Amino acid sequence: KNEVEQSPQNLTAQEGEFITINCSYSVGISALHWLQQHPGGGIVSLFMLSSGKKKHGRLIATINIQEKHSSLHITASHPRDSAVYICAVSSNTGNQFYFGTGTSLTVIP
Amino acid sequence: EAGVVQSPRYKIIEKKQPVAFWCNPISGHNTLYWYLQNLGQGPELLIRYENEEAVDDSQLPKDRFSAERLKGVDSTLKIQPAELGDSAVYLCASSRSFTGELFFGEGSRLTVL
Repeated sequence: KNEVEQSPQNLTAQEGEFITINCSYSVGISALHWLQQHPGGGIVSLFMLSSGKKKHGRLIATINIQEKHSSLHITASHPRDSAVYICAVSSNTGNQFYFGTGTSLTVIP
Repeated sequence: EAGVVQSPRYKIIEKKQPVAFWCNPISGHNTLYWYLQNLGQGPELLIRYENEEAVDDSQLPKDRFSAERLKGVDSTLKIQPAELGDSAVYLCASSRSFTGELFFGEGSRLTVL
């Protein structure tokens, strides 16, 4: 059983489309992280949030603590957004990090 | 501010040979992680340090893997002897504290032949 589940596993979109990636978790958390990894590249932190909503340019992350669910939205998607998006949580007990298996996004021009 | 620095970026060795990876975290970051990432998978924790203390090494295969973080700054991860199944990307990450934002290095890609 995975403590962090992401959906979809793979996603293909046309340039300009609005994209949503979902993350559900089953443990109590102190924070949730959205990470981005380009093919062959390192991992970059996009957001760290523990409540509400954060926005960075075309990226928006929301979290619902009661439902243990977070979403990452990309508005006006672009081919350079093509990457793997990973959801991770830091638990509030046991000092553990749990990672989802990632969502592979391909944006077609 | 410099990011997390790892070396080497790539390493190709024959099985049964030793290999070592080095990580320099962001200045002031007390928490340091070593992760293993296989293709198409999320990172898997190998070991977590709080300063120089290894506080979680439960997933580290201690028969062949070892790590150290002398003086609570740089860290090295060693595999001896390497096996074919060790081929993966070894990621180092750091944060100010366990609850802080994670910063990853570019990773060290190991290929064991």
